[in-house]
This record gives sequence, structure tokens and C-alpha cells, in this order.
Amino acid sequence: DTAVSQTPKYLVTQMGNDKSIKCEQNLGHDTMYWYKQDSKKFLKIMFSYNNKELIINETVPNRFSPKSPDKAHLNLHINSLELGDSAVYFCASSQDGINWDSPLHFGNGTRLTVT
Amino acid sequence: AQKITQTQPGMFVQEKEAVTLDCTYDTSDPSYGLFWYKQPSSGEMIFLIYQGSYDQQNATEGRYSLNFQKARKSANLVISASQLGDSAMYFCAIGGFKTIFGAGTRLFVKA
Repeated sequence: DTAVSQTPKYLVTQMGNDKSIKCEQNLGHDTMYWYKQDSKKFLKIMFSYNNKELIINETVPNRFSPKSPDKAHLNLHINSLELGDSAVYFCASSQDGINWDSPLHFGNGTRLTVT
Repeated sequence: AQKITQTQPGMFVQEKEAVTLDCTYDTSDPSYGLFWYKQPSSGEMIFLIYQGSYDQQNATEGRYSLNFQKARKSANLVISASQLGDSAMYFCAIGGFKTIFGAGTRLFVKA
């Protein structure tokens, strides 16, 4: 059983298109996250949600819109894709983000390539 | 604002030797947690070890140990008896809703 699963694994699309990445966790965690990992492997937090409520929105362009229908799911929709959006996007969850001792459990990542 | 600094972009270690990966942090929170994650070339992120700011002892997890020096704000990862499979990127992080990662250190284990 995969703990944090995200789909698709690969996404190749053209500039200007809209795409979505889905994420689900079956760990019963309260907090979910989206991270962007660039070509230099730098991991930058984009969003965190706690029990479906947005907690962190880290100056991400409003072309990125997360949606959490329930605490087990956090999807990421990206409008008007740009070349600079090419990266690996990781979904993660933790038991409770308010407790700084909760490790993150990551999905396997979605490699987005914008041409 | 919280900050994590990893100053070693790349490290080499001989198989079976120990290696220390450096991590310094900055935070104004009185309580915090520090984490290390491993990212092999296959790309997944794997949680390795955790250290709480109030823990009296350094964390250990198998061949991984954390050299925590609170006054110096450092939380270095020590890998003992390196194995070829330890070759990977290693990230230090400070936890919470806004878990922040360092830039990572790429470790190469030589046979």
C-alpha cells in the first residue's frame, strides 16, 4: 500500500496549457504539502494544508491553485503553464504540521516538463 | 524566519568509512525539530532521522546519528560504515507547517 501517492509520474505539456497533479495519502495525516524541486535539487515549499484548510501559501503565482476536497487529498492545478514551471513537484504529508516533530512522508514526485 | 544552511555541495567517502554532513540552522522559535532526508538517484525522498530541540541526547537510527549542538545551531548527520547504497542527496530540514530544506549535499561513496 502506497502511503502518499501522486499522479501522474510524468507530465509533458506545452506552454499555455492547464494541467493538474493529484495527491492522496492513506496515513490518516492532518497536514499535506506541495513542494517544487528545481533542476539544482532545491526544494521549495509551495503550500501546506491542515485538515483541508490552507495554512501556508509561499508567494506562489496565482496560476497555481491547490484544492483539498478532504484531508486525505491535495491536488494542484496549474494554469497557463510556463517554461519556468518545469520541475519535479512533490506532495507530502505529516501527522500534524503544528507539531514540529512530525516528519514528512513524500510521494514519488511528478516530473513536469513544459515545452 | 527559519533558515537551513548546508555548505557542502558534494562529499566523497570511502566505503566502510564514516562521513559527516554539515547542517546549520537559524530559528527564533524556542521549540523546533530538525530532520534529515535522503534522496537517491531514483528520486524519492526518504526520512532518515529526527532531533527535537529539547532532546537531551543525540538521535541515532541504525547507522545514522545526529550530532546536535544547540548552542552552535548545528545538526550534523553522521553516517557510519558507509555503503555504496548511501550515495545520494541528503537534505537537512527544520519542521512544521513551513518545513524548510537546505540546499542539500550530494554524497558519493567510493568502492
